[in-house]
Amino acid sequence: EVQLVQSGAEVKKPGESLKISCKGSGYSFTSYWIGWVRQMPGKGLEWMGIIYPGDSDTRYSPSFQGQVTISADKSISTAYLQWSSLKASDTAMYYCARGGMIEPIQHWGQGTLVTVSS
Amino acid sequence: QSALTQPASVSGSPGQSITISCTGTSSDVGGYNYVSWYQQHPGKAPKLMIYDVSKRPSGVSNRFSGSKSGNTASLTISGLQAEDEADYYCCSYAGSSTYVVFGGGTKLTVL
Repeated sequence: EVQLVQSGAEVKKPGESLKISCKGSGYSFTSYWIGWVRQMPGKGLEWMGIIYPGDSDTRYSPSFQGQVTISADKSISTAYLQWSSLKASDTAMYYCARGGMIEPIQHWGQGTLVTVSS
Repeated sequence: QSALTQPASVSGSPGQSITISCTGTSSDVGGYNYVSWYQQHPGKAPKLMIYDVSKRPSGVSNRFSGSKSGNTASLTISGLQAEDEADYYCCSYAGSSTYVVFGGGTKLTVL
């Protein structure tokens, strides 16, 4: 069974850094793209970017380029989403998802709620 | 403003059919047959309902169907059931610079 298990909820202050994770299991982690999707409170889904763990090829939505960094450690089947300096507007639920681009997103993580507040 | 335009809300009675539209451009919906639809219940992760415009994943009811004409894709749900009440999002591949775009979402109410 394919599973994506995300790290737990985070509460941070503006200006702090953060790295959240998504561990894949039940499939060949290096053979599928993993992406990240943001959902701000009460709002819709926004595609942030994607990584191919096999060769670390990474693509970003123009809206998120330079705002976040996506990475992966294939040795532990884990993808990451990180911020160097959080803003209050980064408060959202973040989902990791297997697939994206021309491949449909059939598997989603459970979501990580990030709250940024002073 | 979302890249793909969906109606904010639609409603229907049990047993009826509804259609949700998703309008993009020739750079996304109209340019590729990589449109997918996701259902999201409150507090839950999205679920894939339709991919590649009209294909249904295993386990998804055949009451759900998808189509596309020009720059507009559509999701049709027939025989509405109470459990279909949810938010629905369309999604399209958008080429090698934008990559992926979502619609703003449509809230389906089953009356």
